[in-house]
Amino acid sequence: AQSVAQPEDQVNVAEGNPLTVKCTYSVSGNPYLFWYVQYPNRGLQFLLKYITGDNLVKGSYGFEAEFNKSQTSFHLKKPSALVSDSALYFCAVRDRDTGRRALTFGSGTRLQVQP
Amino acid sequence: ETGVTQTPRHLVMGMTNKKSLKCEQHLGHNAMYWYKQSAKKPLELMFVYSLEERVENNSVPSRFSPECPNSSHLFLHLHTLQPEDSALYLCASSQEDRLAGGKRDTQYFGPGTRLTVL
Repeated sequence: AQSVAQPEDQVNVAEGNPLTVKCTYSVSGNPYLFWYVQYPNRGLQFLLKYITGDNLVKGSYGFEAEFNKSQTSFHLKKPSALVSDSALYFCAVRDRDTGRRALTFGSGTRLQVQP
Repeated sequence: ETGVTQTPRHLVMGMTNKKSLKCEQHLGHNAMYWYKQSAKKPLELMFVYSLEERVENNSVPSRFSPECPNSSHLFLHLHTLQPEDSALYLCASSQEDRLAGGKRDTQYFGPGTRLTVL
């Protein structure tokens, strides 16, 4: 079975400060990991993914995430937050050693960036 | 925009109605998905189609009936729904990489259909 935990329902950060949105995962095999963002009344937009290789993955809009196998984590980071980054963020995992195509999503973390 | 469109964007229906949700992808992908997003719950996968064949069905009630007539279109037919079926229904598509066993693909989502069942 595969699962994702996003321990924070909401993260508040001031504009210009660094931000971190936490994600931990559980899979029986090796993971493919994804971050998506959802703005109000919109679908999910892909930000970045980890497949293999470098543990630090860079994505859209200045976001990056670091894969940590020993801690089974894939935290999303950005050096300097913008008010326009305020949205709902989802972490997702897929076990690459099974035949399932489905992503398992976390419950989401609402990021609020204050001016 | 992601290249995945969904219609209608909003739908209100009674419990005895029959309606259909439509999804169209303009990305040349060969796999399509239906997800359900309810308030305060993680996204739930409903169905997966690969090369127009249903390959995953996540114990979804029979009042939801998917149809994939070709690789660009996906429908979700609804009948005799319950109020608890009210949710945002999201469609996604991906291109399966056969060399990688079809497991590495990024899923691109449509904007969703907000369904309210009265």
